[in-house]
Amino acid sequence: KQEVTQIPAALSVPEGENLVLNCSFTDSAIYNLQWFRQDPGKGLTSLLLIQSSQREQTSGRLNASLDKSSGRSTLYIAASQPGDSATYLCAVRGRNAGNMLTFGGGTRLMVKP
Amino acid sequence: GAVVSQHPSRVICKSGTSVKIECRSLDFQATTMFWYRQFPKKSLMLMATSNEGSKATYEQGVEKDKFLINHASLTLSTLTVTSAHPEDSSFYICSASRAGSTDTQYFGPGTRLTVL
Repeated sequence: KQEVTQIPAALSVPEGENLVLNCSFTDSAIYNLQWFRQDPGKGLTSLLLIQSSQREQTSGRLNASLDKSSGRSTLYIAASQPGDSATYLCAVRGRNAGNMLTFGGGTRLMVKP
Repeated sequence: GAVVSQHPSRVICKSGTSVKIECRSLDFQATTMFWYRQFPKKSLMLMATSNEGSKATYEQGVEKDKFLINHASLTLSTLTVTSAHPEDSSFYICSASRAGSTDTQYFGPGTRLTVL
């Protein structure tokens, strides 16, 4: 059974810092890995999706990498802003699980002005 | 494109009553819809997967008779929490995907259920 772990569970940084969020998964047989953002009491916003054949994806100040063989992904946020404060979730779609996503526990990020 | 809506966004009900939550794909046909539950400060837990026109597949530990799922059309799935109790209070999120097992899931904004 696929298990997804995110470290750290919570992170507080001053504005302007570059930061890295980590995601690890136990079964490397995946279709893709996706990073989401969730604001308090809200639904999920997709940030980046990395297919299993890709190494990284970039969108603005965000860069996500994928090392499928080691079961790891990182989300890099450059020049963090208070508006980046949210919970970041990674989710993996396994090859043996149809369309099902397995989510990590999330990282709660607070960027202080 | 690929917008998913949920209704209601918030609902408060008395213990023992049933509550229905709707999930709609607004601009695409969703052959598969997923229902998730999220406890405060926790991640999403998949409850069930529903394919249009067939019975939902429930995850282990999810009571089928408690959480009734209907996916009667390609744009609508409903989750009914029957005989709700305070422990059913949670944030319920649905997602929808188009045909094809590798397609992206599009998430709704969620429904906050509070059972008094």
